[in-house]
Amino acid sequence: GAGVSQTPSNKVTEKGKYVELRCDPISGHTALYWYRQSLGQGPEFLIYFQGTGAADDSGLPNDRFFAVRPEGSVSTLKIQRTERGDSAVYLCASSEQGGFSEAFFGQGTRLTVV
Amino acid sequence: KQEVTQIPAALSVPEGENLVLNCSFTDSAIYNLQWFRQDPGKGLTSLLLIQSSQREQTSGRLNASLDKSSGRSTLYIAASQPGDSATYLCAVSNSGNTPLVFGKGTRLSVIA
Repeated sequence: GAGVSQTPSNKVTEKGKYVELRCDPISGHTALYWYRQSLGQGPEFLIYFQGTGAADDSGLPNDRFFAVRPEGSVSTLKIQRTERGDSAVYLCASSEQGGFSEAFFGQGTRLTVV
Repeated sequence: KQEVTQIPAALSVPEGENLVLNCSFTDSAIYNLQWFRQDPGKGLTSLLLIQSSQREQTSGRLNASLDKSSGRSTLYIAASQPGDSATYLCAVSNSGNTPLVFGKGTRLSVIA
């Protein structure tokens, strides 16, 4: 596609529920990143994929968070047993060659846990 | 651990002024540095990418410089316009296999 696409743009869920956030990167980009951004803060790294594999998942806050990229393109971020503290904007980015090249971001998914 | 700091946190200027936004990073062994713009409630738009071997990059009224050895970058905006109002974020990459590390951003308001 023309840019990085994230769906849904907004998600409201009840505490304790499971959510999935989707990212469709720019076609041909091998690297895909998930970040989380709270109000007034810079994006905080969660996980980085190179192809199908997670090259770095050191930013995932706990085992309730999991992400997959089974075919090396679309990625899904999965959050189990959501908590109010998970409320944030979840941003996805892709780049052609990981940290060697320019990263392009999607519009984000605003997650609100009530 | 790489840390990125942006100063000032917020800036308000009258239309037409030239301005400079600052970014500093603790580990100077970076591979590249990228400046982004973020409008309220939106994602990040890439403005400029500077490779570690470069000193500056220009795009229109924007000029970004990099002094890798001192761990600093500046974003210069010429002849500011109200449409430039946004948050500007700086991010660095330490290698091809590490993610971008971001500062908290500078919130810019250009007053007509």
